[in-house]
Amino acid sequence: DQQVKQNSPSLSVQEGRISILNCDYTNSMFDYFLWYKKYPAEGPTFLISISSIKDKNEDGRFTVFLNKSAKHLSLHIVPSQPGDSAVYFCAATNQAGTALIFGKGTTLSVSS
Amino acid sequence: EAGVAQSPRYKIIEKRQSVAFWCNPISGHATLYWYQQILGQGPKLLIQFQNNGVVDDSQLPKDRFSAERLKGVDSTLKIQPAKLEDSAVYLCASSLNRVNEKLFFGSGTQLSVL
Repeated sequence: DQQVKQNSPSLSVQEGRISILNCDYTNSMFDYFLWYKKYPAEGPTFLISISSIKDKNEDGRFTVFLNKSAKHLSLHIVPSQPGDSAVYFCAATNQAGTALIFGKGTTLSVSS
Repeated sequence: EAGVAQSPRYKIIEKRQSVAFWCNPISGHATLYWYQQILGQGPKLLIQFQNNGVVDDSQLPKDRFSAERLKGVDSTLKIQPAKLEDSAVYLCASSLNRVNEKLFFGSGTQLSVL
């Protein structure tokens, strides 16, 4: 049973436009959420996180939105750049220190 | 700051053979994780260590997989005997502590079982 779901396997966006990646979770005990980016042949790298006490967190071109009632979060990238082309993983955890649980990932392709 | 080191980068073995992976976490990181990433899937936790103690190994196939973290630093993950379905990337990660900490990942070991 998948506790973290990324239902879109892929997304294609033109350079300069907005990229929106979505993530849903089922476990109401999750209270901390992270996004990781992964390039081929490399390990995932941390991108941005959000605590359940917030509904938005921004870092440069990246913004994560959290809707607790819908158990949904999204990552917005504005403006998108070709270097953003990668696999993006949503992950969740809780205050008990449970190891991160990852979604299946969404492959983002940004064309110039 | 040096990152998480893993070796080897690639390994090809035949089924029923054994294989071992090594990981050196970021200095000072108390928590170490081994994840398995099958093609097209997200990373799945195999085992989590806090210093040299096991916190969570509930998803580790203990009949064939074993892991240790001697002295709370380096860690090894072993598979014996390997099966075809073990073909995956094995990722090691570390964090300062267990709670709400971002993980730093190594580049992984790509295992192919033929």
